[in-house]
Amino acid sequence: QKEVEQDPGPLSVPEGAIVSLNCTYSNSAFQYFMWYRQYSRKGPELLMYTYSSGNKEDGRFTAQVDKSSKYISLFIRDSQPSDSATYLCAMSDSNSGYALNFGKGTSLLVT
Amino acid sequence: GEEVAQTPKHLVRGEGQKAKLYCAPIKGHSYVFWYQQVLKNEFKFLISFQNENVFDETGMPKERFSAKCLPNSPCSLEIQATKLEDSAVYFCASSQYSGLGSYGYTFGSGTRLTVV
Repeated sequence: QKEVEQDPGPLSVPEGAIVSLNCTYSNSAFQYFMWYRQYSRKGPELLMYTYSSGNKEDGRFTAQVDKSSKYISLFIRDSQPSDSATYLCAMSDSNSGYALNFGKGTSLLVT
Repeated sequence: GEEVAQTPKHLVRGEGQKAKLYCAPIKGHSYVFWYQQVLKNEFKFLISFQNENVFDETGMPKERFSAKCLPNSPCSLEIQATKLEDSAVYFCASSQYSGLGSYGYTFGSGTRLTVV
């Protein structure tokens, strides 16, 4: 079993919809949680960063971390066609030298 | 600069040939990370540096892969005697702090290596 599980999709939504993306993980030592957006043939771009549990909001994006359930989420409000990309969750802990453990990514299409 | 610069963008090598990839981290960033992205977005951590010192090399295939970060030079990742399975996009990322701080890592655009 991979340490980080993420449904690859694809997920197709109409413009303006609320999008919910999530990941589960097995390593309780993870402390740093990130969401990256990756467009085709580009490098991952950091969207949200959360340390430990809790919620964080930035514009149309909200990240939630529930360490007790080992579950993280990213919500995108008022989705736009420009949000069409692959969304990768990533997490890390201090014991592993801060190397990122990625999910497989969810492909999102906003039409 | 404010971006991680990776060169070349594309690299084609015959099986058995050497491949060398370069990464210039963001100025002021002390940590450099190399990742390999293969099929279906699978990212694999390879190695990280704190300045010119290896920070973590647990993901590095030791036999054919080597990496360096020397002062005043781009970091490099070298693959000796490439194999078909080395075909992937290799990403470099840099960070100001090992603990990620508020900014996580900044990734470059990657080098696409194709071994034929």
